[in-house]
Amino acid sequence: QKEVEQNSGPLSVPEGAIASLNCTYSDRVSQSFFWYRQYSGKSPELIMSIYSNGDKEDGRFTAQLNKASQYVSLLIRDSQPSDSATYLCAVKIGGSTLGRLYFGRGTQLTVWP
Amino acid sequence: DGGITQSPKYLFRKEGQNVTLSCEQNLNHDAMYWYRQDPGQGLRLIYYSQIVNDFQKGDIAEGYSVSREKKESFPLTVTSAQKNPTAFYLCASSRDRDSYEQYFGPGTRLTVT
Repeated sequence: QKEVEQNSGPLSVPEGAIASLNCTYSDRVSQSFFWYRQYSGKSPELIMSIYSNGDKEDGRFTAQLNKASQYVSLLIRDSQPSDSATYLCAVKIGGSTLGRLYFGRGTQLTVWP
Repeated sequence: DGGITQSPKYLFRKEGQNVTLSCEQNLNHDAMYWYRQDPGQGLRLIYYSQIVNDFQKGDIAEGYSVSREKKESFPLTVTSAQKNPTAFYLCASSRDRDSYEQYFGPGTRLTVT
C-alpha cells in the first residue's frame, strides 16, 4: 500500500486560472503535511506546510487539509507560467518521533499563456 | 548565506568504482537525509541521521553507506554493490528530529557507465 498518493498528471491550466493539486495519505495519525515545488532539473523547494484541519493561505497558494478524509490539497490562484513545475506532497507518517517524511511521486503542472 | 551545498553537481564514474557524494550544511540543523530520485519514481529515502554519530537506513539503503562525524556533514558513498547507481541524489536537512520541514541541497547527478 502506497503511503502517499498523488495524481501524476500532467495537469494543464491556462494563465490566470486556479490549479488544484491533490494528495491522499494512508496513515490516520499523520500530523505534518508539506508541499514542495520542483522545477525541471532542480531540487525540491518547500512552499507550504500545514498541520491543522482547514485552510492555510500564503500569497497565491492555499493548502487545505482534511484529516478525516486523509486528504491534503494545494490550490494555486492566478496561475502563472512560472508555476509550471512538479509539485510533491510529503507527509510525516506514523506516530513515532522518527523524523522522516514520505513523498508522493508528484504532479506535473503546466501553465500555458 | 545559510544553506546546504552538494558537490559536485555532475559526477561520472565507471561501473565497479565507489564514489562519495558530499553534503554540507551551515544551518545548524541536527537532522540530515539522503534521497534518490529517478524519473517517475519520486523521492526515495536512502539514509538519515538525526544526530551526530548516529544514522538509520531508509527504504533503499542497500549498496550505500554514510557517516555522520560532524553536525555539518553527511557524505554518501555509492558502492559498487549498488546495481543501478545512475540517478539524481538529493541531500536535505531539518532543524531537529521533531521538525519535519526539510530543506534540500541542489543535488548531484551521478552517471555510472
